Amino acid sequence: EVQLVESGGDLVQPGRSLRLSCTASGFTLGDYAMTWFRQAPGKGLEWVGFIRSKAFGGTTEYAASVKGRFTISRDDSKSIAYLQMNSLRTEETAVYYCTRVPYADYGYDAFDIWGQGTMVTVSS
Amino acid sequence: DIVMTQSPDSLAVSLGERATINCKSSQSVLYSSNKKNYLAWYQQKPGQPPKLLIYWASTRESGVPDRFSGSGSGTDFTLTISSLQAEDVAVYYCQQYDSTPFTFGPGTKVHIK
Repeated sequence: EVQLVESGGDLVQPGRSLRLSCTASGFTLGDYAMTWFRQAPGKGLEWVGFIRSKAFGGTTEYAASVKGRFTISRDDSKSIAYLQMNSLRTEETAVYYCTRVPYADYGYDAFDIWGQGTMVTVSS
Repeated sequence: DIVMTQSPDSLAVSLGERATINCKSSQSVLYSSNKKNYLAWYQQKPGQPPKLLIYWASTRESGVPDRFSGSGSGTDFTLTISSLQAEDVAVYYCQQYDSTPFTFGPGTKVHIK
């Protein structure tokens, strides 16, 4: 079965760090770009960042709100993508989702596989 | 950044009736080289991740009932549920995947009248 499973969500104090993992199964993670979204309680979906596949340089892009504090990485040999979050803020309390990004003939295809999400609570 | 807007915010529809949700992008998501619109529709139920319904603006994802259809091009798009079922109660989002940041609309909540 093709699936993504996020883990690592926790209650953390403001200013602290947390690393989330996104473990893939049923497909080859290395063939896909990967992206992270988050959804604050009762709110909409916000893009966090993105990592290309190694074939396309493995480069990353981030939302302005997290740039310089969050880092996305990948270990294709373990089929895991990571989201390292530093200097967390209370307003970043949310469910964090990872999703795979298929490559299309031009650009990307829609995000067909999503994890169930992992809850990050930032509070003192 | 491409800004996505949706209307209405909320929609009450009787069972078996049609539901129509509109989505507008601040710039075209139609790519001239392949004539494809980089626009998707997702359904999200409480406590669940988004589920892909429609991609390329009008292609139904495998397993999605044919009462769901998408239309539009360029900057204006529509999701139609032809005959609303009880299990369709959810929030529906449009999303552009033309360029980063990959942006979603604010969502349209569909419920039963």
